Amino acid sequence: DGGITQSPKYLFRKEGQNVTLSCEQNLNHDAMYWYRQDPGQGLRLIYYSQIVNDFQKGDIAEGYSVSREKKESFPLTVTSAQKNPTAFYLCASSKSALTWNEQFFGPGTRLTVL
Amino acid sequence: GDSVTQMEGPVTLSEEACLTINCTYTATGYPSLFWYVQYPGEGLQLLLKATKADDKGSNKGFEATYRKETTSFHLEKGSVQVSDSAVYFCALRQTTYTGKSGTSYGKLTFGQGTILTVHP
Repeated sequence: DGGITQSPKYLFRKEGQNVTLSCEQNLNHDAMYWYRQDPGQGLRLIYYSQIVNDFQKGDIAEGYSVSREKKESFPLTVTSAQKNPTAFYLCASSKSALTWNEQFFGPGTRLTVL
Repeated sequence: GDSVTQMEGPVTLSEEACLTINCTYTATGYPSLFWYVQYPGEGLQLLLKATKADDKGSNKGFEATYRKETTSFHLEKGSVQVSDSAVYFCALRQTTYTGKSGTSYGKLTFGQGTILTVHP
C-alpha cells in the first residue's frame, strides 16, 4: 500500500540537543511538506519542497532545517535554536506543489523536550 | 493575508444528534476550501472539498457548501456517530501563492481545529 510513514511516533529530547524526524513516502510525489501542530491551533507550515534537491522556508522555519536528497524522503531536524520545540509534527506530500493537488498526511511524530 | 476561523470547541453531542461546525474565511481571489479530519493519534485525512462558489462537498454523511457571499464553508451532518469523534480542520488553498523565495505553490491555510466528542 502506498502512503507516508513518519518515525518515531513519540520522541523525547533533552534541551540543547538536535533531533531528526523521519518522513518517507512511496506515492511517487514530487512535493513534500512539514507542518507543526500545537494545541488549539491549526497547522503551520515549517518547510516545503517542490522537487528533489530543492526546499523553501514556510511560515515558521526558524530553528528547523531540512534536506531533500531523495524523492521519497524529507527529514526534518529540530535544532537547539528552536525555542519551543514540543509539538506534534506532521509530514505531507502531494503529486506536485500546484494548487489542485491534494496533500496526503502522515501519522505524525509527537516531540517532547524534557 | 489569508485566514480561516472555526467555531470554538469542544463540541459534545449525543449519538444521532445534528452537527454544524462553522467555518469562515478571509482570502483574496477564489480559493479552494477543505475539511480535514484528525482521529486520535493520527495524521489528517481529507474529508471533503469544494473548488468554486456554490459547490457542495460531501463524504461519509458530511456536507459543506462553498458560500462566497458569506465567505463560509460550514460542516454539517444530520446524525453523528461515536466514530465521528475527532478534530475537524477547515482549510483554504489559494489559487496561487508566492513564498518567500518567489516560488509559487498551493499553500494550505488551516483553522485552529474543532474537537468533536460524540457520546453513546
